[in-house]
Amino acid sequence: GENVEQHPSTLSVQEGDSAVIKCTYSDSASNYFPWYKQELGKRPQLIIDIRSNVGEKKDQRIAVTLNKTAKHFSLHITETQPEDSAVYFCAAYLNDMRFGAGTRLTVKP
Amino acid sequence: GAVVSQHPSWVICKSGTSVKIECRSLDFQATTMFWYRQFPKQSLMLMATSNEGSKATYEQGVEKDKFLINHASLTLSTLTVTSAHPEDSSFYICSADLVNIQYFGAGTRLSVL
Repeated sequence: GENVEQHPSTLSVQEGDSAVIKCTYSDSASNYFPWYKQELGKRPQLIIDIRSNVGEKKDQRIAVTLNKTAKHFSLHITETQPEDSAVYFCAAYLNDMRFGAGTRLTVKP
Repeated sequence: GAVVSQHPSWVICKSGTSVKIECRSLDFQATTMFWYRQFPKQSLMLMATSNEGSKATYEQGVEKDKFLINHASLTLSTLTVTSAHPEDSSFYICSADLVNIQYFGAGTRLSVL
C-alpha cells in the first residue's frame, strides 16, 4: 500500500518567515495530495490540495508543489503568523487516504 | 460546504462494554467513509474503509470483530468498539469522501476505565 513520509516533525519559525514542509510517497499511482491543518483538540481542516496533473497550486500565503517524478510534494507558507501554529498533515490518495506523521509548526511572535 | 457530524464527541465507559460511534454526512451522500484512530501527538492511522452496502475493508492489524463497522445508508457509518478495554482509549475520527476530498467529523474521545 501507499506509504507517506513527512519532514520535519517539528518546525519553529519567526513570525514573517517562510515555512516549508516536505512529504514523499511511495505509490506512483497516487493522484491526489491534500494538506490538512489540525489545531489542538479539533478536526483536521483541508487547507490546500493538488492533483497529479498539476505541478503547483497557490492560495494566498499557502502554496503546494508536486514533483511526480521524484514522488514528493511540499507545503510552503509565506509571511507566517502566530495563528499558523498547528500540526500540519500531508496525505496521498489512491484508493484511500494515507497520512504523513505530521509536522508541528510553531510561529514565534 | 460539506458537513460531517460525529457523535458522541466524548464517551467514558467501563471495561467490557461496547461503544457505538456514529458518522453522518449531513448535506451529501458518501459511498465511502473512513475511520481513523489518532493517539496523542501522532498522525491519523487508517483503521478501515467503510463502503455503503458492503463489508468494510480493514487495515492490517485492525481486528474486525473488535471494531465493527456498518455503513447501512449513504449518509451514515457506525463504528462499534466491542468489549472495550483501556488500551482502546483513543481519539477516533471519521471522514466522508466527496470526490476524493475528505470531510472530517469532529472526532470521538473514548476513555475506557
